[in-house]
Amino acid sequence: DAGITQSPRHKVTETGTPVTLRCHQTENHRYMYWYRQDPGHGLRLIHYSYGVKDTDKGEVSDGYSVSRSKTEDFLLTLESATSSQTSVYFCAISELPGTGYGYTFGSGTRLTVV
Amino acid sequence: GESVGLHLPTLSVQEGDNSIINCAYSNSASDYFIWYKQESGKGPQFIIDIRSNMDKRQGQRVTVLLNKTVKHLSLQIAATQPGDSAVYFCAESFNQGGKLIFGQGTELSVKP
Repeated sequence: DAGITQSPRHKVTETGTPVTLRCHQTENHRYMYWYRQDPGHGLRLIHYSYGVKDTDKGEVSDGYSVSRSKTEDFLLTLESATSSQTSVYFCAISELPGTGYGYTFGSGTRLTVV
Repeated sequence: GESVGLHLPTLSVQEGDNSIINCAYSNSASDYFIWYKQESGKGPQFIIDIRSNMDKRQGQRVTVLLNKTVKHLSLQIAATQPGDSAVYFCAESFNQGGKLIFGQGTELSVKP
């Protein structure tokens, strides 16, 4: 998707290892979000950021941490990966809160924890 | 907790027919609703949105209807095409930092 890049696109990792997913944007949007997508649950918010070094928890934040040291990068870290964190992770950006049109999603990272 | 849900997990329609995808929400304070389309292997893409002060909004081949009385949202797709095959999500916003709460999704399958 234009303006937002997630890396890696796919990753397989072992239980107990740390994992960091990266979201990079070139739109200079203020708001960035991390969602996970699982069958039967749709997309659930993990963490979000409303500015550099300003982050907050979403509905499924346990086991995850985030950092945003620059406007363009939002990192999601699994400190010690568990099998329950096997999922597809999506990053999203927006400039105006509550404006779906300005909400752009990345292509996702498929994470498998074995 | 508050939730957004969908009545039908799957919907199969014939090409050229109209499609209706439904969504129920539980939070009467939600003031903004969005429909997204997600194709396999891709992130969700914006289709259409509606604010709580409206009950209908039309786009190109799509219409969103909002019934606040029964907390119901629907997406109508006219003359459904094979390219419309995807999973459709509704989402609601409480205007809290732009956080969106998503429903579980409905898979639309269009038969040629």
